[in-house]
Amino acid sequence: AQKVTQAQTEISVVEKEDVTLDCVYETRDTTYYLFWYKQPPSGELVFLIRRNSFDEQNEISGRYSWNFQKSTSSFNFTITASQVVDSAVYFCALAILNGQNFVFGPGTRLSVLP
Amino acid sequence: GAGVSQSPSNKVTEKGKDVELRCDPISGHTALYWYRQSLGQGLEFLIYFQGNSAPDKSGLPSDRFSAERTGGSVSTLTIQRTQQEDSAVYLCASSPFPRGSTEAFFGQGTRLTVV
Repeated sequence: AQKVTQAQTEISVVEKEDVTLDCVYETRDTTYYLFWYKQPPSGELVFLIRRNSFDEQNEISGRYSWNFQKSTSSFNFTITASQVVDSAVYFCALAILNGQNFVFGPGTRLSVLP
Repeated sequence: GAGVSQSPSNKVTEKGKDVELRCDPISGHTALYWYRQSLGQGLEFLIYFQGNSAPDKSGLPSDRFSAERTGGSVSTLTIQRTQQEDSAVYLCASSPFPRGSTEAFFGQGTRLTVV
C-alpha cells in the first residue's frame, strides 16, 4: 500500500522568509510519481509539479524548488522569499504506475503573515 | 470547457434525501477521479474511472454511494438517503492518461451540506 506523510500540520512564517514543507512517502513500487498541489482559500487544487521515480534531479521554478531524495523517501518543497499569496494548504501526493488513484498526504497549512 | 467543471457548486439538502453531483472532465481525458474532503481534512479517494469503467469501487464509503460515467465523459456521483456525515466538499479530477503517470486536474468541487 502507498502512504504519504506530511508531518507539519500548520506553519506560519513572516513574509520574505523561506519555508520548507516536508513530504515523506511509502511505496514498494519502483515506478511511481510524486506531486505537489496547492489549495488556496478558494478551494480548487492547483497542480504545481510532478516527478517520476527515476528522476531525482532537483527542480526550481521561480521562488519554488523541490528536493527529491529516494534514499530518504522524501520530496520536500521550498518556497523562497514567501509572499502572502503563498498562504494555502499544500498537498503532497503519490501515484504508482498502473495504480488507480492518487494518494494524498494530509496537507500542510501555510500562513504567510505580512 | 478548458477545465474540469462540477455542478452544483453548492448543495444543501435535507437528511434522507438523494443528491446527484456532476462532473464534466477536460475533453479527451480518459481517467476520472472522485475525492471527498471533509472540513479541514485531507482528500479521501472515492472512485476511479478508466473510460466508463470503474475497476475498483471499494473506496466508496457505503452502499448509499454510487457513481457512473457515460460516453467516457460526464460522471455522476449519487448519494442516497444522505446523512449529516456526508457533508463535505466532493472533488472531481481528470487526467489524460491512466495509471498515475500524469497529473490530475481538479474541478472547483461541490460543497454538500446535509441538514
